[in-house]
Amino acid sequence: KAGVTQTPRYLIKTRGQQVTLSCSPISGHRSVSWYQQTPGQGLQFLFEYFSETQRNKGNFPGRFSGRQFSNSRSEMNVSTLELGDSALYLCASSPMPGGSYNEQFFGPGTRLTVL
Amino acid sequence: GNSVTQMEGPVTLSEEAFLTINCTYTATGYPSLFWYVQYPGEGLQLLLKATKADDKGSNKGFEATYRKETTSFHLEKGSVQVSDSAVYFCALITDQGGKLIFGQGTELSVKP
Repeated sequence: KAGVTQTPRYLIKTRGQQVTLSCSPISGHRSVSWYQQTPGQGLQFLFEYFSETQRNKGNFPGRFSGRQFSNSRSEMNVSTLELGDSALYLCASSPMPGGSYNEQFFGPGTRLTVL
Repeated sequence: GNSVTQMEGPVTLSEEAFLTINCTYTATGYPSLFWYVQYPGEGLQLLLKATKADDKGSNKGFEATYRKETTSFHLEKGSVQVSDSAVYFCALITDQGGKLIFGQGTELSVKP
């Protein structure tokens, strides 16, 4: 079974631009979560989607948004990019949302650099 | 709020040395606890987990025991290898929410 895939793997953008990142979960997994990883803040939760609905949202500004499609694939969008948005963005999928028994499987991440 | 604290790195060990990475947590309710490992240039891989007090998670020679009385989940391995060099993250998740809460990560470097 293929793992979580994220595209693109690397992105370079300039301040003020917007970016869209894509995540394809493991086949049969219906929940997708997004995390931001930076050297200063570590790993921080962005949002969680299940059945095309956002279930949870982390403490990020409205410039960060996401969505999930009927095939469970998910995209996240960052508008008006800032230098501080440079990070590794990780997507994780699980069979069902939330809770302690639904192990989250992570993709390799998208490395975003904002110049 | 819920949080995870783990020992700062980097930790440098010689091959075959004993490893302990400390992790303590603060959480309401009864969280599940995890150790993830991140190799250079890769995403996170689940190393082991424990879902209730006194459970012991184990995988690839690594072990951690869920200690509710000390709110700890320390990672141990009896004999590390060079291939264990990576960043290790302790994390929790509660039944109330689907988000993983991570510690800051501990970088392990194993020298031959």
